[in-house]
Order: sequence, then C-alpha cells, then structure tokens
Amino acid sequence: DAKTTQPTSMDCAEGRAANLPCNHSTISGNEYVYWYRQIHSQGPQYIIHGLKNNETNEMASLIITEDRKSSTLILPHATLRDTAVYYCIAASYGQNFVFGPGTRLSVLP
Amino acid sequence: EAQVTQNPRYLITVTGKKLTVTCSQNMNHEYMSWYRQDPGLGLRQIYYSMNVEVTDKGDVPEGYKVSRKEKRNFPLILESPSPNQTSLYFCASSLVYGSSSTDTQYFGPGTRLTVL
Repeated sequence: DAKTTQPTSMDCAEGRAANLPCNHSTISGNEYVYWYRQIHSQGPQYIIHGLKNNETNEMASLIITEDRKSSTLILPHATLRDTAVYYCIAASYGQNFVFGPGTRLSVLP
Repeated sequence: EAQVTQNPRYLITVTGKKLTVTCSQNMNHEYMSWYRQDPGLGLRQIYYSMNVEVTDKGDVPEGYKVSRKEKRNFPLILESPSPNQTSLYFCASSLVYGSSSTDTQYFGPGTRLTVL
C-alpha cells in the first residue's frame, strides 16, 4: 500500500501557482519524499525530491513540514502542459517505489 | 540523448503466444524495473534488478519473467500471456539504487499490450 495520501483531483487556473498537498504521516526518518508526474499515458517524469529541507529546481518547489508528516509541491506558474497526474512517494534509498493513485491536476485556461 | 527505450510500443497478441518486451537504457544505470499500469490500480512493480544477473520480484510478478544479462537491457518475458495481462507496461532505470546520490527513476515511453 502507498504510504502517502493525496487528493484525487485538483483544478488550477493557467498562470497561477498550483499547490499539490501530500500526507505522509507515517514517514520514517530515512524516507525521502519524491514527486513524479505522468502526462496522459506517457512514462512518469521525475519532478523533485527532498528529505527535510525545502527544495527548489527549475520545475517546482517542495515544501516539507517540520514534522515531515506532509508536504506540498508547488508549480509556480502552471501552464496547460502541466495537466497531469502527480504522484507523491515516500521511500528510502534502496527501497522500491510504491505509486498510489496520485492527484489529477487540471490546468484550466 | 539519455533515455530508456521500449519495444514494441504497441502489441496485440493471443492467449498463450510467448512474447518479449525489450527495455534498454543508455545511461549506464545499475537499477532497472518493470511496472504495469491498469485503470484504478496505479503503477505496480512487476520485477526489478539491482545489477547484472541480480533480479527480484516486485508486487505482481506472477506470469512474468525477466533477465539481466547486460547492464543496459532488461527484457520482460510473458511465456504464456493471458487476457488479464492486458495492460500498459513501463520500464524504468536509475543510476545506483541505494546510494547517497539521487536515485531518480527514468521511465520509458510505455508498451501497450493487448492479449486476446
């Protein structure tokens, strides 16, 4: 079973920030939070990952709460091409990923 | 270009006819894995390989075989396909599983298999 829970779906207006929440209340100390996305039926694409500190790259920002029980993926300026299913995964190095159903993000014009 | 390739991309076959889906990566990755994706069930891991000649079962290995004779290739074999193996299949690879560096998984484009 997935160790994370995410909302089934979300909408976001084009050009606005998309904030996707993820709950991982049972995460252990050595488990990272990974985010992937899958556009239509393409192969999942890595977005970002983090352990404790907030992370940012060219695609997104990852905000992890201090107690590490939840996190938020932020797409700062969502475009129509960001419409996809977003997966939040908690896993340690050497541990296989478990993909849950994810959040279906629809970016609306 | 760094990539994971799968062949074929689409395949329609009949029950019992052995088939192989190939997966190849050009990134010198040690870890490779196969997933299947079905509506409402998400991605489920079939088999994975930590390195050459090292393979292990994932969550749904029944009806599948794999081999890892070379680092770059990780074929998925269905000895006797059945209709319940109709699915979308993804191969993935990552640099060094369990290392201190990122073990970002790179996914192939997928193979859509239909077993009649």
